[in-house]
Amino acid sequence: GAVVSQHPSWVICKSGTSVKIECRSLDFQATTMFWYRQFPKQSLMLMATSNEGSKATYEQGVEKDKFLINHASLTLSTLTVTSAHPEDSSFYICSASRASSNQPQHFGDGTRLSIL
Amino acid sequence: AQKITQTQPGMFVQEKEAVTLDCTYDTSDQSYGLFWYKQPSSGEMIFLIYQGSYDEQNATEGRYSLNFQKARKSANLVISASQLGDSAMYFCAMREGISGGYQKVTFGIGTKLQVIP
Repeated sequence: GAVVSQHPSWVICKSGTSVKIECRSLDFQATTMFWYRQFPKQSLMLMATSNEGSKATYEQGVEKDKFLINHASLTLSTLTVTSAHPEDSSFYICSASRASSNQPQHFGDGTRLSIL
Repeated sequence: AQKITQTQPGMFVQEKEAVTLDCTYDTSDQSYGLFWYKQPSSGEMIFLIYQGSYDEQNATEGRYSLNFQKARKSANLVISASQLGDSAMYFCAMREGISGGYQKVTFGIGTKLQVIP
């Protein structure tokens, strides 16, 4: 099956630090990548959808300036949590997909972000 | 209205028995996709099965089958011959194509399945 690599898998850092998370599709060209946030024992909350070469579409309530998304190539998208604070601590998970609606998303293994 | 509704927060099933996890959805799109994912305690999301809105046959993948009832807008997951390794959270999801090339994916709140030996 398709492989999506997400890095890093675990980050612990001080408040005020910016953290970059990478999501790579290793064996297919991902026209669309999705970024999710998941709180403990809850479902995935879609943060934004990014299409290669264009600006990400953010969901309502997600701060664009806080969560910077770049999808510069068909195999790489990055999420940067700027000036992270303890309330940003969460499990962030990306997925990559080919274009049409009948294609499944292939997920990375997620990043556990802990802000002290 | 909820886009994806999973009404069973938790389910128990005896090993080797079959279990059905419920999922109903709401969309005005004609073309959409329905997916089921499994999330073990380790956190990764594992794709299980897909059903397209135009597919006439119910999808099957090994022990997983999807009971698709379009008129009722339901897409229940059936796991046959449950195994201990099936214990996990199960999420139903829908992918819709919104105008302008933007695609929206919505997940249900999940069902926690526990397989009992």
